[in-house]
Parts: sequence; C-alpha cells; structure tokens
Amino acid sequence: QKEVEQDPGPLSVPEGAIVSLNCTYSNSAFQYFMWYRQYSRKGPELLMYTYSSGNKEDGRFTAQVDKSSKYISLFIRDSQPSDSATYLCAMIGGGGGNKLTFGTGTQLKVEL
Amino acid sequence: EAGVTQFPSHSVIEKGQTVTLRCDPISGHDNLYWYRRVMGKEIKFLLHFVKESKQDESGMPNNRFLAERTGGTYSTLKVQPAELEDSGVYFCASSQSSNTDTQYFGPGTRLTVL
Repeated sequence: QKEVEQDPGPLSVPEGAIVSLNCTYSNSAFQYFMWYRQYSRKGPELLMYTYSSGNKEDGRFTAQVDKSSKYISLFIRDSQPSDSATYLCAMIGGGGGNKLTFGTGTQLKVEL
Repeated sequence: EAGVTQFPSHSVIEKGQTVTLRCDPISGHDNLYWYRRVMGKEIKFLLHFVKESKQDESGMPNNRFLAERTGGTYSTLKVQPAELEDSGVYFCASSQSSNTDTQYFGPGTRLTVL
C-alpha cells in the first residue's frame, strides 16, 4: 500500500470552475503538507505549504489539512486555462527526515 | 537568482552503458536532493546531501547508482551499468537549511535506457 494516495485523473473542468484535488495518507507521523504544480517537461513548483490542520489561503488557492482523517485537499477557485498542469501532493515527516513523499499527481485540464 | 539547473535535459543510452547526470543547486543552498519518477509511478526520493556529506541515501535502488557532491556545490548521479528499469525522469532539488525548508526543483533529466 502506498503511503500517499492520489487520484491520477485526468480531471477536465470548464474555465471558472472550482477545482478540488485530494490526497489521503496512511502515516500519521507526516507533519508538513505541500502542493506542487508541474507543467509538462518542467520540474515541480511549490504552490502551498501547510503544517497544522485547517485551511490556508493564497489568492485563488486554498489548502486544507485534516490530520484526524489523514486527508488533504487543494481548492482552486475561478480556474483558468493556465492552471492546466499536474498537481502533486507531498509530505514530510514520518521518521523520514526531510525527504518528500509524493502522491502520483492529478492531471488537470481547464477548458475554455 | 538562477534556479536549480540539471544537465542533460534528455539522455538516451543502451543497456549496460554508463550515464552521469549533473545538478547545480541554487547558490548558497547546502541541501541537495535527488528524486526519480519512473513511468506511471510517483516521484520517489533517492538521497539527500548536506553540503558534501550524504545525510540520507535510503532511497538509492542499488549499488549501480553513485551520487557525489564534491566541494558541496554541484552534484552528479552516475548510473553504471544502466538497466532498462532505470528509465525515468531524475529530479534534483535544493533547499537552504536542513529542516523542512522549501525544496526547489530543477527541470529534471529524462533518461531512456534502450
């Protein structure tokens, strides 16, 4: 069983839609949670970084962490075609030092 | 400020050959990480340098992989001899401090072993 589960998609939404991306994890020792965005042929780029349970907002992006359910989410409001990318959740902790443990990534396409 | 750079961007080699990948971290970043993504799978950790020392190499798949970071600046990852299952995208990341600081990723090297 993978430590981090993420639906690979693809997910296709119309421009302006609210997008919800999710990951579940099994290791309760994970303490830091990140969302990365990866465009084709590029490296992952950090979008959001959270530590505690609850919500964190940055512009059109909201990251949500529920440690009791081992569930994290990323919401994108007013989605744009430029948001089309692969979104990766990643976590640190679990006795694994500073290494990131990734989900497989969800491919998102925002259509005009 | 220049980001993390990796060279080459793409390498195609035959099984049994040797390949060396290079990573130049962001200037001043002591921490350097190597990750790999094989097709259809998640990005997985390979190893972590702090300056020139290997902090954690628990993700290295086998002894055909050798990573170095002489002088604590750039790093190389050598695969010798390469096998088919080594194909994938190799990412390098760097961070400033040895805690949970943000890791900045390079564009990756796409390795194809035929």
